[in-house]
Amino acid sequence: NAGVMQNPRHLVRRRGQEARLRCSPMKGHSHVYWYRQLPEEGLKFMVYLQKENIIDESGMPKERFSAEFPKEGPSILRIQQVVRGDSAAYFCASGIGGAFSEAFFGQGTRLTVV
Amino acid sequence: GDSVTQMEGPVTLSEEAFLTINCTYTATGYPSLFWYVQYPGEGLQLLLKATKADDKGSNKGFEATYRKETTSFHLEKGSVQVSDSAVYFCALSKAGGNQFYFGTGTSLTVIP
Repeated sequence: NAGVMQNPRHLVRRRGQEARLRCSPMKGHSHVYWYRQLPEEGLKFMVYLQKENIIDESGMPKERFSAEFPKEGPSILRIQQVVRGDSAAYFCASGIGGAFSEAFFGQGTRLTVV
Repeated sequence: GDSVTQMEGPVTLSEEAFLTINCTYTATGYPSLFWYVQYPGEGLQLLLKATKADDKGSNKGFEATYRKETTSFHLEKGSVQVSDSAVYFCALSKAGGNQFYFGTGTSLTVIP
């Protein structure tokens, strides 16, 4: 059973370009979380999705950021018109939901905006 | 709102020293509590968890006890190794909640 797969591991974008980050959850998991980790900071919640539904996007910036988790295929975190401040590690986690189950994390995508 | 507060780092210890990383939480209801570990360049891995008061989670020599009276979940290890060098995150989640709340992480360096 493969773990949570994120790609790419490293992504470099110029200011103004779009960044697409992909996350394939573990088999059998229908819940996906996205977190951002800025240098020297902790993990900040961005969005929580189930298949075809955004459940909680309270941590998403209001502009330029969007996320989806389609019925088929990976979850996508999309950042339009990237700026230098978007440079961070973005982690995806998946789980079966509920308070007693842990989240399994991917290895992250490190986005660098130049 | 719900939150987790962790001991500030970084922490540097000699091999075989005793480790404590403090974690306290604020939450309504009955959260589950977790410790995750992040090795350099990697994602987070679950280290241990506890789902109700007085539960003790343990793994790889690490332990943490869910103390509802002090709202704490301190991480301990009796004898650290160089391979334990990593960043440790305390976290909570709740039934019906939509996210894990993470502390800011505590960096641990163990020197030979």
